[in-house]
Amino acid sequence: DQQVKQNSPSLSVQEGRISILNCDYTNSMFDYFLWYKKYPAEGPTFLISISSIKDKNEDGRFTVFLNKSAKHLSLHIVPSQPGDSAVYFCAASGGAQKLVFGQGTRLTINP
Amino acid sequence: DGGITQSPKYLFRKEGQNVTLSCEQNLNHDAMYWYRQDPGQGLRLIYYSQIVNDFQKGDIAEGYSVSREKKESFPLTVTSAQKNPTAFYLCASSLHRWAPGTNTGELFFGEGSRLTVL
Repeated sequence: DQQVKQNSPSLSVQEGRISILNCDYTNSMFDYFLWYKKYPAEGPTFLISISSIKDKNEDGRFTVFLNKSAKHLSLHIVPSQPGDSAVYFCAASGGAQKLVFGQGTRLTINP
Repeated sequence: DGGITQSPKYLFRKEGQNVTLSCEQNLNHDAMYWYRQDPGQGLRLIYYSQIVNDFQKGDIAEGYSVSREKKESFPLTVTSAQKNPTAFYLCASSLHRWAPGTNTGELFFGEGSRLTVL
């Protein structure tokens, strides 16, 4: 039972444009959400998080939006840069659940 | 520099052999975790430990064993009972322990160990 889903395995965006990565969850007890970035053969690195008391959190070029009624969160990267090419994982925790990860979305930024 | 060190980075094993992956952290974190990553899948939790000499099974613990004799160290043994051991293994730690209704904050990950069974 996949509690956190990233339905797009891959996304291709032109350099300088906005990248939007999406994540859906099913467990209404989740109240803390994170995004991680992962390069090949490396461990994931933390990008940004949001708690359920907020609907938006911003850190430089990265903004995470949370829509609790739709059980949906998204990560916006603007402007997109070549170094943003990586796999992005969303993760959620809350209630009786420790951190649960989505399947990941491979983002490719084209020059 | 503070961080998590995993070794070896690449490991090959014959079927029927046990192998141990090392994970050391100098972040003074209480909690440590082992995840497995397979292509097209998210990170799946194998085992976690919130305190020395205590550890709990995650979602896919069968065929694995761990120990936590020191705060800094959380080695993972992949036993011959693990049916599909070829994978990328990630160790992580968090400052806060997990409890129902709380969150651990961000997890810090090591660089991973790729295990291939021949």
